[in-house]
Amino acid sequence: KAGVTQTPRYLIKTRGQQVTLSCSPISGHRSVSWYQQTPGQGLQFLFEYFSETQRNKGNFPGRFSGRQFSNSRSEMNVSTLELGDSALYLCASSLAGTRFGNTIYFGEGSWLTVV
Amino acid sequence: QQQVKQSPQSLIVQKGGISIINCAYENTAFDYFPWYQQFPGKGPALLIAIRPDVSEKKEGRFTISFNKSAKQFSLHIMDSQPGDSATYFCAASPARGSPYNTDKLIFGTGTRLQVFP
Repeated sequence: KAGVTQTPRYLIKTRGQQVTLSCSPISGHRSVSWYQQTPGQGLQFLFEYFSETQRNKGNFPGRFSGRQFSNSRSEMNVSTLELGDSALYLCASSLAGTRFGNTIYFGEGSWLTVV
Repeated sequence: QQQVKQSPQSLIVQKGGISIINCAYENTAFDYFPWYQQFPGKGPALLIAIRPDVSEKKEGRFTISFNKSAKQFSLHIMDSQPGDSATYFCAASPARGSPYNTDKLIFGTGTRLQVFP
């Protein structure tokens, strides 16, 4: 069974640009959540989608958005990039979501560098 | 309060030694406590998890100790090996039916473990 697939793995963007990251969950998983990982802040929750609906949202500005498609694939978008957005963006999938003890499976992440 | 506080930030252990990572939480509505292991260039992967109805869970060389009254839990790695060198994250998830207004998994800030031969 294929794992969580994230594309692209590495990208460099300029301040002010926008970026779209893609995530394909494990087959059969309906929940996709996104996390931002930085050395000092650890794993910060961005949002979670379940069956195309955003179910949870973290404390990030509105420049961060996401969506989920009917095939459970998800995208996240960051507009008007800032230097501080440089991070590893991790996607995780699970059968029923991050709630109540469900196991979540992470992809290898997309490394975003903003210059 | 939604925080999970993890310490130490980094840990250096000799091969064969015991690695101990501690986490503390404030919200009593949490009832699921997983630990994730992350190797460089990889995403985190579930290592071991515990619920508060038990005080200890052991899987091979990895043990979670849980102290409900102190709201603390820790990961012990016995006979630490160079292959255990990774970043470890503790996490917490709220209980079903809790008044907590969110049900996302909340992570600690991570501990970078280095095991030297």
